[in-house]
Amino acid sequence: ELKVEQNPLFLSMQEGKNYTIYCNYSTTSDRLYWYRQDPGKSLESLFVLLSNGAVKQEGRLMASLDTKARLSTLHITAAVHDLSATYFCAVAPMDSNYQLIWGAGTKLIIKP
Amino acid sequence: SQTIHQWPATLVQPVGSPLSLECTVEGTSNPNLYWYRQAAGRGLQLLFYSVGIGQISSEVPQNLSASRPQDRQFILSSKKLLLSDSGFYLCAWDRSMNTEAFFGQGTRLTVV
Repeated sequence: ELKVEQNPLFLSMQEGKNYTIYCNYSTTSDRLYWYRQDPGKSLESLFVLLSNGAVKQEGRLMASLDTKARLSTLHITAAVHDLSATYFCAVAPMDSNYQLIWGAGTKLIIKP
Repeated sequence: SQTIHQWPATLVQPVGSPLSLECTVEGTSNPNLYWYRQAAGRGLQLLFYSVGIGQISSEVPQNLSASRPQDRQFILSSKKLLLSDSGFYLCAWDRSMNTEAFFGQGTRLTVV
């Protein structure tokens, strides 16, 4: 069974702290995506990771992909309240052209 | 620039009534189109995808159907809604699996 597991599912942290969200997946893949969703809103693309060792950074967020370990991380540096949202990772299996397998999401609350 | 429109934003329908959700994309041609459903506090479940006019692939057996009558129009339908059809429905498009997907604003459907 294809699985994408995010850890943790819920995270409450203080502003200024660093933390990492983990995304483990069970299938062979070299394409992984991170999205952000604000409460009641749609999804916004953050990062597209297309190869082993890919690292992308945007502001206080940095994402990486290790296809051998089947693991992606989303690292938050010096968190600010505006980063409060639910973060999803999604994996494209190697044998699929259009299907993405989604994680359950990590709800991140950053307290002032 | 490309935009995606999805409507309505919210919908309350009685059990057994029909459903029609519409999604249109502007500013691009021959997009891949997707319908997802998101249960409360969960990840996304792919319902349908389409790679071209009249080409629909279903990922999950259910009482929903999809159609793509025009290149940039994607419609989600049901003849008779069930309580279990309640959820947040999202339309999305992309150019390929190597690029990010862009999501519509979503439709919150409540079947009563």
